[in-house]
Amino acid sequence: ILNVEQSPQSLHVQEGDSTNFTCSFPSSNFYALHWYRWETAKSPEALFVMTLNGDEKKKGRISATLNTKEGYSYLYIKGSQPEDSATYLCASSAGDSSYKLIFGSGTRLLVRP
Amino acid sequence: ETGVTQTPRHLVMGMTNKKSLKCEQHLGHNAMYWYKQSAKKPLELMFVYNFKEQTENNSVPSRFSPECPNSSHLFLHLHTLQPEDSALYLCASSQGGVQNEAFFGQGTRLTVV
Repeated sequence: ILNVEQSPQSLHVQEGDSTNFTCSFPSSNFYALHWYRWETAKSPEALFVMTLNGDEKKKGRISATLNTKEGYSYLYIKGSQPEDSATYLCASSAGDSSYKLIFGSGTRLLVRP
Repeated sequence: ETGVTQTPRHLVMGMTNKKSLKCEQHLGHNAMYWYKQSAKKPLELMFVYNFKEQTENNSVPSRFSPECPNSSHLFLHLHTLQPEDSALYLCASSQGGVQNEAFFGQGTRLTVV
């Protein structure tokens, strides 16, 4: 059974703080790792798709790294803003299918003004 | 506007009713997905269609019946559901498989009474 674990479950930070979350996944038969941001009452929105070990991607104040050998990815937010408040989902490919993603439970971030 | 539209947004149905959820994507993608999110659980893949052909059925009970008449439309037909089927049902699409990001609709909040 493929499990994708995210930590922490929730996080409260002050505006301006930098923060990071962890996603761990089985490293065997890995193909792709996705990060999504899900704001309340909206659709999940893709942040990054990463496939290569050592990959590092950046979008504005948000960046992510990938280690496929040890099976983890980090998401970093620099200088958090209240609009960053959302649930951040990580998903890993299932290995036995090129269309199947297994999602973690998410990290819920609240940024206080 | 995410490019993936789901209707209805909310649905309350009795256990003996038959209803359908509809999903439409305007992105030209070949793959479409149904996901389920129950309370306090991760997003769970239900079905995948690629070029109208079902490629994944994640051991979903037969009271959920998907239909994909073309690459732009996806339905989920519901009949004789149970209260534990109450959940948020999300549709998504992607170009190809897990190597590309998925685009999600806003979901249908289903309550079975």
